[in-house]
Amino acid sequence: DADVTQTPRNRITKTGKRIMLECSQTKGHDRMYWYRQDPGLGLRLIYYSFDVKDINKGEISDGYSVSRQAQAKFSLSLESAIPNQTALYFCATSTPGTDTQYFGPGTRLTVL
Amino acid sequence: GNSVTQMEGPVTLSEEAFLTINCTYTATGYPSLFWYVQYPGEGLQLLLKATKADDKGSNKGFEATYRKETTSFHLEKGSVQVSDSAVYFCALSDRGGNNDMRFGAGTRLTVKP
Repeated sequence: DADVTQTPRNRITKTGKRIMLECSQTKGHDRMYWYRQDPGLGLRLIYYSFDVKDINKGEISDGYSVSRQAQAKFSLSLESAIPNQTALYFCATSTPGTDTQYFGPGTRLTVL
Repeated sequence: GNSVTQMEGPVTLSEEAFLTINCTYTATGYPSLFWYVQYPGEGLQLLLKATKADDKGSNKGFEATYRKETTSFHLEKGSVQVSDSAVYFCALSDRGGNNDMRFGAGTRLTVKP
């Protein structure tokens, strides 16, 4: 089984809809991250969390919110989706003391 | 702020050719440097890393050396295979409290038989 899982893997939605992307991990890591990937731009950090009570904005947090329900779960929400949020979204985890991050398989989101 | 610049793709090579993908960085302090690989339909996987100047990271025949004097971390492989076809991302982490990681734009490599 994969250490970092994301659901759904693909989602098509319409402008104005609320959508939630979910991430679960079995690595026992405290730190979790949400990134979006756009062609030619690499990955950009949306939000990160160092533990259940710690949530921080990343480089591009506008239009997104997150919830850390448990150490193993970190959800990303788009309150009112817009077409320029069409992208590939990745969840990642890491543990304090190391700077290597471990990535999930990604969620491809299309906003029409 | 911290940033990573890597050579634009796509790169197309024949099997057994030599590969170089250039990566340079801008950072305050002494970041850790990484190469991640993304195979089609998958998430990013760590390929190799280096944490201090002159360190060489290596894995699966790929190598990269942390060059502080040229702020570079170029990826090389002596003989590529079709299975190496993927997107390669250079990244840095500032190792500060927020584990802030910055990625390059990615370079798509296609290896033809």
